Amino acid sequence: DQQVKQNSPSLSVQEGRISILNCDYTNSMFDYFLWYKKYPAEGPTFLISISSIKDKNEDGRFTVFLNKSAKHLSLHIVPSQPGDSAVYFCAATYYNQGGKLIFGQGTELSVKP
Amino acid sequence: DAGVIQSPRHEVTEMGQEVTLRCKPISGHNSLFWYRQTMMRGLELLIYFNNNVPIDDSGMPEDRFSAKMPNASFSTLKIQPSEPRDSAVYFCASSQTSVNTEAFFGQGTRLTVV
Repeated sequence: DQQVKQNSPSLSVQEGRISILNCDYTNSMFDYFLWYKKYPAEGPTFLISISSIKDKNEDGRFTVFLNKSAKHLSLHIVPSQPGDSAVYFCAATYYNQGGKLIFGQGTELSVKP
Repeated sequence: DAGVIQSPRHEVTEMGQEVTLRCKPISGHNSLFWYRQTMMRGLELLIYFNNNVPIDDSGMPEDRFSAKMPNASFSTLKIQPSEPRDSAVYFCASSQTSVNTEAFFGQGTRLTVV
């Protein structure tokens, strides 16, 4: 039972354009969502998060949107840069889970110069 | 802080051998997680500890897998005996669980069982 799903395994975007990565979840108890970025041969690194009491959180070029009714979140990167090329993981958790994160399968983003 | 430290970075072993992966979490973090990454299943949680106590080991695939956390600064994941299907990248992560916050990952151990 995949509680967090990233249905697009890959995405290719031109440098300077917007990248939109999508994530769906099934467990309505999730109340905190995170995006991680992973380069080859490295561990995932935290990028941005959002609490379920918000519908948007912005940090520089990165914005995460949360639609609770649709159980959907998205990560927008604008403008995209070649250095953003990596695998992006969506993760979710909820209160009293001790920080246990449930991850999606990941989306590999390629930003072309 | 040096971050989460895992060792070894790479391990190649023969089927049937015992494998031990090691992790040093970030000082002050009270939760520790072991994840496994494979092409088929992505990043899956194997087990997590809170204040050195195993809380949820439902992700541990078989009895061949065991994990310990003897103190706040060290954890091991052991596979005995190892099998080729255990080949994967194993990540350790740590976090503070008093508030919703991110987990910090180590660089992973790439395990190859031949």
